[in-house]
Amino acid sequence: DAKTTQPPSMDCAEGRAANLPCNHSTISGNEYVYWYRQIHSQGPQYIIHGLKNNETNEMASLIITEDRKSSTLILPHATLRDTAVYYCIVRVDGTYKYIFGTGTRLKVLA
Amino acid sequence: EPEVTQTPSHQVTQMGQEVILRCVPISNHLYFYWYRQILGQKVEFLVSFYNNEISEKSEIFDDQFSVERPDGSNFTLKIRSTKLEDSAMYFCASSNLHLGAEAFFGQGTRLTVV
Repeated sequence: DAKTTQPPSMDCAEGRAANLPCNHSTISGNEYVYWYRQIHSQGPQYIIHGLKNNETNEMASLIITEDRKSSTLILPHATLRDTAVYYCIVRVDGTYKYIFGTGTRLKVLA
Repeated sequence: EPEVTQTPSHQVTQMGQEVILRCVPISNHLYFYWYRQILGQKVEFLVSFYNNEISEKSEIFDDQFSVERPDGSNFTLKIRSTKLEDSAMYFCASSNLHLGAEAFFGQGTRLTVV
């Protein structure tokens, strides 16, 4: 089973920041948090990942709480093309596989 | 930007036939994966492959499935005798080895078994 919990769906107005939460209360010290998204049935697209510190790249920011039990993916200026299913994944320590949950279906509204 | 490429994009096959799905991982990656997604369902892990052998596999990956890296660039998934329930999107992915390395996915092959 996936080690993360996400809301099933969210809406966001175009141009506004989209904040997608994820709970991973059983995360252990060496386990990273990864975010991917999937548009229609395309291959999952890597967004960002982190261990303890907040991370930012050209696509998004990742905020990880100090206790590491939850995180938030931030898309700073959502566009219609950001409409997708967003997956928060904690890869089990010692393995390289991802266990996908059902993700959050983000709908960006014009 | 380097990417994982998969061929064909769509494969239709008759039940009982063998299919081979092909992938070209990112060139300097050493870990390779296959995932599948049945329509409307979650993305499911099938198998991971490193150093010319299977590292992990799921319960789905039974004796009907096999993987191979026949040369320095291709990574293949073979389904020996396809069933209707094998119809799905199949995604190949690859990653580096370092701790925390992210995986990059291809655009998938849609397999339809008729």
